[in-house]
Amino acid sequence: GAGVSQSPSNKVTEKGKDVELRCDPISGHTALYWYRQSLGQGLEFLIYFQGNSAPDKSGLPSDRFSAERTGGSVSTLTIQRTQQEDSAVYLCASSLESRLAVFGAGSRLTVL
Amino acid sequence: AQSVTQPDIHITVSEGASLELRCNYSYGATPYLFWYVQSPGQGLQLLLKYFSGDTLVQGIKGFEAEFKRSQSSFNLRKPSVHWSDAAEYFCAVGALSGNTPLVFGKGTRLSVIA
Repeated sequence: GAGVSQSPSNKVTEKGKDVELRCDPISGHTALYWYRQSLGQGLEFLIYFQGNSAPDKSGLPSDRFSAERTGGSVSTLTIQRTQQEDSAVYLCASSLESRLAVFGAGSRLTVL
Repeated sequence: AQSVTQPDIHITVSEGASLELRCNYSYGATPYLFWYVQSPGQGLQLLLKYFSGDTLVQGIKGFEAEFKRSQSSFNLRKPSVHWSDAAEYFCAVGALSGNTPLVFGKGTRLSVIA
């Protein structure tokens, strides 16, 4: 597509439920990143995929968080047993090189 | 470790006034530096970037930034602010090569008053 597409744009869930957030990167972009944006905290790196290499998961805050990227394209970020502190905007970006990352509009997650 | 500091959480300027948003970085090698803008409910839009060469870089929407290696700074400026510039601004640093993720500052929220 022309840009990075994320869905859903808004998600409200109850504490303890699992959620899945989807990212459709720009076609042909080999790198894909997930960031979390919490109020007043800037952007926190979560996970990074590059081609067929093993993902860099160093930013995932707990084992409740996981992500996969199927076929080198679409990525899904899964949060299990959501907690209120998981409420944030989850941003996805894709790039050919990190210098030219293009961001999606984000998925706003609210955990009640 | 890489880090980016944006010392100003919130800045208010009058429309037509000049603007400078501060950014300081800590990086072990030659950095790539970026400024992004985020309007409410929107994703991040790249304003400008510095890779090498001229230390004064021009971006979109009339913004510019100057890389000062001696001060580890990359401050964003605009000579005359418009009401539509009200947004959140993020400074980021990246590696010279490869696809390592960008490291972002916590952002500066800009308010513009008449």
